[in-house]
Amino acid sequence: QVQLVESGGGLVKPGGSLRLSCAASGFTFSDYYMSWIRQAPGKGLEWVSNINAGGSPIEYAGSVKGRFTISRDNAKNSLYLQMNSLRAEDTAVYYCARDRIFGGLDHWGQGTLVTVSS
Amino acid sequence: DIVMTQSPDSLAVSLGERATINCKSSQSVLYNSNNKNYLAWYQQKPGQPPKLLIYWASTRESGVPDRFSGSGSGTDFTLTISSLQAEDGADYYCQQYYRTPHTFGQGTKLEIK
Repeated sequence: QVQLVESGGGLVKPGGSLRLSCAASGFTFSDYYMSWIRQAPGKGLEWVSNINAGGSPIEYAGSVKGRFTISRDNAKNSLYLQMNSLRAEDTAVYYCARDRIFGGLDHWGQGTLVTVSS
Repeated sequence: DIVMTQSPDSLAVSLGERATINCKSSQSVLYNSNNKNYLAWYQQKPGQPPKLLIYWASTRESGVPDRFSGSGSGTDFTLTISSLQAEDGADYYCQQYYRTPHTFGQGTKLEIK
């Protein structure tokens, strides 16, 4: 069955960096777009970024463009999110999701919490 | 960016009754060349990731009970849950995937009375 497992979250100071990973299994990873979505504590969902099955094209939300970088390694069935220049408002649970691009986000991981605080 | 606005922000509906959640997009998400609306609905229960319910505005995801239905076109959409069950209490979100960023509505909290 499809499984997505995020890791790499934690506490980081403002201005710091963090790299999230998402390990995928149970499907042909290289056939699918993948996305990152985040949810601040007690708030709604915010789409962050997605990446084509082959690694390009890539899209970002305006709130993270220039600071976050999405990437993937199809040989390792893994998705990544490099987050630089972190701000307090980046504090959220970060989910990776399989993106059918023309059919919604059909599988989600359990999420990893990123807390940006001094 | 396409702004998605849901209404109401919260609602309380009795067991067995019907719940209706609305979603309005700031611009049309209907792609004329294939006549498809690029709109999805998700359910999220506390402590869990979201679950895809509906895509193409009205196509039910595999395994989703048929009491969940989606309708609408262009800029106005509705998620209807007929005959509410206790397990339907959750937050519901619409999302457009017509244009990046693939924005979500602010969410609607559904409480079962």
